[in-house]
Amino acid sequence: GDSVTQMEGPVTLSEEAFLTINCTYTATGYPSLFWYVQYPGEGLQLLLKATKADDKGSNKGFEATYRKETTSFHLEKGSVQVSDSAVYFCALSDTGRRALTFGSGTRLQVQP
Amino acid sequence: EPEVTQTPSHQVTQMGQEVILRCVPISNHLYFYWYRQILGQKVEFLVSFYNNEISEKSEIFDDQFSVERPDGSNFTLKIRSTKLEDSAMYFCASTGDQTNYGYTFGSGTRLTVV
Repeated sequence: GDSVTQMEGPVTLSEEAFLTINCTYTATGYPSLFWYVQYPGEGLQLLLKATKADDKGSNKGFEATYRKETTSFHLEKGSVQVSDSAVYFCALSDTGRRALTFGSGTRLQVQP
Repeated sequence: EPEVTQTPSHQVTQMGQEVILRCVPISNHLYFYWYRQILGQKVEFLVSFYNNEISEKSEIFDDQFSVERPDGSNFTLKIRSTKLEDSAMYFCASTGDQTNYGYTFGSGTRLTVV
């Protein structure tokens, strides 16, 4: 079946540091890939997406590239801010399915 | 910006009791979903609903669970006889089209079964 594996958290960084959160996936078809973010007390929000191999999704300074050869979709940001502190979820939607399969989430803590 | 609204934000129930979790999806959306997240575990898909019927469900969504759109605005998840292991955060979501690119999630209902 489909699965998503994310790096364990929490990830603690200083402001303006470089961020990488690793995500790898297993899917039977040709999935679309997503990153969702959850700020404290709020719902899951779509951060970025990529729908086919070599696509790069980007939003708010975050980016991730769909790498089919390594089945990965790592999230990166060049300079994090305190306001980026949240839980980040990698997810996929496999061909012909409406359901999202999520990773376990990675908590990011950015210190001033 | 349109929101998916879930009520209550936290519900405590006794084991064996029925519980109904309520959601108001975005008004022009057509597809509705429930997900859950047991503390410390992954967000898991439960069910999707379209055109007044279930379109997909997971293994978790057994006979103890049911969904309904009773009045054209609310979307509910019922658990008939709650178990301790049903304790989780339950998220409702909706989308307006046939892709999965535009999910809007609610902020969740934390269900605690005691």
